[in-house]
This record gives sequence, structure tokens and C-alpha cells, in this order.
Amino acid sequence: ETGVTQTPRHLVMGMTNKKSLKCEQHLGHNAMYWYKQSAKKPLELMFVYSLEERVENNSVPSRFSPECPNSSHLFLHLHTLQPEDSALYLCASSQEVGTPTDTQYFGPGTRLTVL
Amino acid sequence: SQKIEQNSEALNIQEGKTATLTCNYTNYSPAYLQWYRQDPGRGPVFLLLIRENEKEKRKERLKVTFDTTLKQSLFHITASQPADSATYLCALVPTDSWGKFQFGAGTQVVVTP
Repeated sequence: ETGVTQTPRHLVMGMTNKKSLKCEQHLGHNAMYWYKQSAKKPLELMFVYSLEERVENNSVPSRFSPECPNSSHLFLHLHTLQPEDSALYLCASSQEVGTPTDTQYFGPGTRLTVL
Repeated sequence: SQKIEQNSEALNIQEGKTATLTCNYTNYSPAYLQWYRQDPGRGPVFLLLIRENEKEKRKERLKVTFDTTLKQSLFHITASQPADSATYLCALVPTDSWGKFQFGAGTQVVVTP
């Protein structure tokens, strides 16, 4: 596997379910990110991790809970979601947070539908 | 408030012509700006980065300009091909918030043969 992988690619869940999204990067990067992408809207940055430490939590509701056990893996735990949370959830990694030329490497995303 | 604006209407262009996309921003002072390409069902892919002291950057058939006075970046695809059809996103990182990438909503480009 190369680059950034995400599983599952598609997820349908009810509002009372608990599920987790998984992201893995094979690039040796130190930073990982979660974004939400809704139709016709800009990517919304949700969380930023640098060397497994959360450095940014962009006012995200507590029903989204991130976990970064090591610099290669990132999870997004979901519980009691709302239909408006339906979106494409993208994971990204970058070499190092705080460098001027830092660029993002994205995974393919998880298409989430909340019923 | 801070905003990044890209044309929300799709750009339809004939093969061989030049596509020009606009990215305008307000209330940011970015040190650099980036452009990404996103295909349906996929994550964005980095294309080009331009610094505030660079007026123009080129990569193959792509050209980016950055005017910090106008607070605008232009993205050009010359000799466009149907394979260039995708959504193009601009992104910037505020100098006081490294890591907090801010993306525009993107402009869809459709190149017809």
C-alpha cells in the first residue's frame, strides 16, 4: 500500500449507531488531518495531529472523536450523528505542521450517510 | 470575516483552449497559496505551490499567478485536454496558523473534445 488509505470507503449508519473511520499513511509523515467535505462547500478542517498530539480542534461537535495512536494511523469515532453530518470525510497527511511549504496528501475519503 | 472564493459555476471549455480559474481571498495574509485537483470520488491531489514573493509559477501546461495586492491567484491550464476535466481547489495557510489549511469550494472544469 502506498500513500494514504481510508476504510471504509462507504458507510451508512443510523443516528444511534457507533462507528469508526480509519486512516493510514505510508509516507512517513508527522502530521495527520481530518476534513469534512459537503457538496459545493469548501473542505472543513476538523482536527490536526502532529506527532500523535492534537494541535487543532476546529470547534467540532463532541459526537466526533478523533484518535491518533501513532503517526501512521488516525481514527475518527462517530456516535449519535445527525443527518447533516452526511458528507465525504477525508484524511490527509503532511510532512510537518508549521513548515512554509507543507502540502497535503489526501486519502480517497469515506462517503458517510446518516439516516 | 475570512473568505476564499472560487467561481462556483462550472467552466466548460473546448479542447486545446486555455482554462483560467480565479481564487480570491479576503482578510488573509498568506505566505503562500496552493492549488489542488480533485476527481469525483477521490481526495484532492496537490498540483502547485506559489509563494507571496513569486509572481508566477509553471509546471508543464499549468501556470499559477499570485497577486498579493489584488488578493488573487489565477490558475491556467493551457492546451486543455479532456483528461484535465476535474474540480480545482485553491488553498492557503495563514502565516499565523501553520497547519490550518483553508480551502476554497473549488471550480469544476469540463473540457470537451
